Amino acid sequence: SAVISQKPSRDICQRGTSLTIQCQVDSQVTMMFWYRQQPGQSLTLIATANQGSEATYESGFVIDKFPISRPNLTFSTLTVSNMSPEDSSIYLCSANAADTQYFGPGTRLTVL
Amino acid sequence: ELKVEQNPLFLSMQEGKNYTIYCNYSTTSDRLYWYRQDPGKSLESLFVLLSNGAVKQEGRLMASLDTKARLSTLHITAAVHDLSATYFCAVDDYTYKYIFGTGTRLKVLA
Repeated sequence: SAVISQKPSRDICQRGTSLTIQCQVDSQVTMMFWYRQQPGQSLTLIATANQGSEATYESGFVIDKFPISRPNLTFSTLTVSNMSPEDSSIYLCSANAADTQYFGPGTRLTVL
Repeated sequence: ELKVEQNPLFLSMQEGKNYTIYCNYSTTSDRLYWYRQDPGKSLESLFVLLSNGAVKQEGRLMASLDTKARLSTLHITAAVHDLSATYFCAVDDYTYKYIFGTGTRLKVLA
């Protein structure tokens, strides 16, 4: 299994600012992922964070809005840039380990 | 494009009753996962199903996978209040990316 931590756990931000979310895994993993979950909704994959190369974004998500870093096999960051109230959501990171994905506790973001 | 649908979306059931949650997906895959999410919490892995006919059981929950029908079921036996949560299925389209179902919000009434 994998134990995943995220920071911050929650934040309230002003429109137009940016927030960087950190994700730390307790073991080396090949693939890390970033998801968004609107309240009461399912999870939507934002991007796959690849170590040593650029992230792979899903349809509807772009690097300028959600830049991702993956400096090593245990860590990744997601930045939510130029935020608007529509970005208010829970952001979760996950990592593949032992035939399944394990999830971090999530970051609850509110944009005013 | 892979699509994953669950039904029902909401389920309210009495303690002691049995029920089944269904997960249908649109393209070929033999990798399906079930997760539980409690309010305000992250996702907890319940079952990993990696072949046609796979069946896994843990306590009052049993999951199965029929890849030919592109269908997985999560069966609840003799429900108890502690099973109240939202349950998600997710399908891997062989790229290690998971596409999640809509979720089923289960409420078990005493």
